[in-house]
Amino acid sequence: GNSVTQMEGPVTLSEEAFLTINCTYTATGYPSLFWYVQYPGEGLQLLLKATKADDKGSNKGFEATYRKETTSFHLEKGSVQVSDSAVYFCALSPISSGSARQLTFGSGTQLTVLP
Amino acid sequence: DVKVTQSSRYLVKRTGEKVFLECVQDMDHENMFWYRQDPGLGLRLIYFSYDVKMKEKGDIPEGYSVSREKKERFSLILESASTNQTSMYLCASIKSRGATNEKLFFGSGTQLSVL
Repeated sequence: GNSVTQMEGPVTLSEEAFLTINCTYTATGYPSLFWYVQYPGEGLQLLLKATKADDKGSNKGFEATYRKETTSFHLEKGSVQVSDSAVYFCALSPISSGSARQLTFGSGTQLTVLP
Repeated sequence: DVKVTQSSRYLVKRTGEKVFLECVQDMDHENMFWYRQDPGLGLRLIYFSYDVKMKEKGDIPEGYSVSREKKERFSLILESASTNQTSMYLCASIKSRGATNEKLFFGSGTQLSVL
């Protein structure tokens, strides 16, 4: 079956530090890949996505590249801010399923950025 | 933008009570979902619905039921609440059934405590 593995948190960084949150997946075919973010007290919201190999998703200074050869979709940001403190979820959707039911989430990574 | 509204932010119930969690979306989305979020486990799908009066079991449906009498409203029912159902419950919606590339819209969650 499909699965998503994220690096375990929590992750604590100082402001302006470089961020990487690792995400690897197992799926048949060519899934779409997503990063969702959950700020304190809120629901999840889509941060970025990539739908095919070598695509780079980007938003709010965050980037992730769909690497088919390593089945990875690592999230990066060059300089984090206190406002980036949140829980980050990697997720996949198998492109061939035809059903949004098939979305699979990772376990989430808590990021805390200190001033 | 789409708004997904969950009726309660915090809820405290006693073991054995019947509990209703309500979710409303305002953009005519076909698919609606109920997830529970637990630390270290990420999001797990309880039930989803792809049309009025239609429902399908997710990964962890035991102890839960759902109701979708109107397109905009999706209710999660705990027939007899138990302490292991203490969790954060998230409702989500997506426009169409085959929209594997589109984003989910989430409500802000209901933190349920069963005593």
